[in-house]
Amino acid sequence: GENVEQHPSTLSVQEGDSAVIKCTYSDSASNYFPWYKQELGKRPQLIIDIRSNVGEKKDQRIAVTLNKTAKHFSLHITETQPEDSAVYFCAARDFGNEKLTFGTGTRLTIIP
Amino acid sequence: GAVVSQHPSRVICKSGTSVKIECRSLDFQATTMFWYRQFPKQSLMLMATSNEGSKATYEQGVEKDKFLINHASLTLSTLTVTSAHPEDSSFYICSASPWDRGANYGYTFGSGTRLTVV
Repeated sequence: GENVEQHPSTLSVQEGDSAVIKCTYSDSASNYFPWYKQELGKRPQLIIDIRSNVGEKKDQRIAVTLNKTAKHFSLHITETQPEDSAVYFCAARDFGNEKLTFGTGTRLTIIP
Repeated sequence: GAVVSQHPSRVICKSGTSVKIECRSLDFQATTMFWYRQFPKQSLMLMATSNEGSKATYEQGVEKDKFLINHASLTLSTLTVTSAHPEDSSFYICSASPWDRGANYGYTFGSGTRLTVV
């Protein structure tokens, strides 16, 4: 099955600076890679996603890049704000059975 | 948008009792729903895939007789934790995707259920 690794597990960034979270996946057949933001006790919220036929996608301060050859994808948050503080999860979708496999999560703290 | 409603949001039960959690897709049909468990400060771990009109598919290590899943309609899936024990205390969350809307790969999550077994 799919295995998703995520780094770093914790990340502290000064407000206004950029944050980068990286994930690698094992199954070359995976074709969909979402990123979720989860606040304490709440449901994961989709913040951006990318499909395997695209190398980069941007939505305002958030961008995701995908390298299919190397099987890794990254989340980039620019001009970070205190409300960006949360746990972020990457995930990969197994093309064959629709299942999402999650990374281990990154606790992002924005320092005012 | 695609909305998934999950109830209850919190439940406290005595050890040995059973608890049922409901997950409803409000504005779309979901032939497949996914049930996850999340322990504190950990990731979401898939427990099972709920299939409308057929048996659920359980992940390795998940006891199907303990975590009963029923997906009787295109909008409702239930997870029953039977004979709950303190180690079953966790955050349970469902997910679904409106595949009938075309090439939409997005997954929507329910609000989650915090189960505490005392």
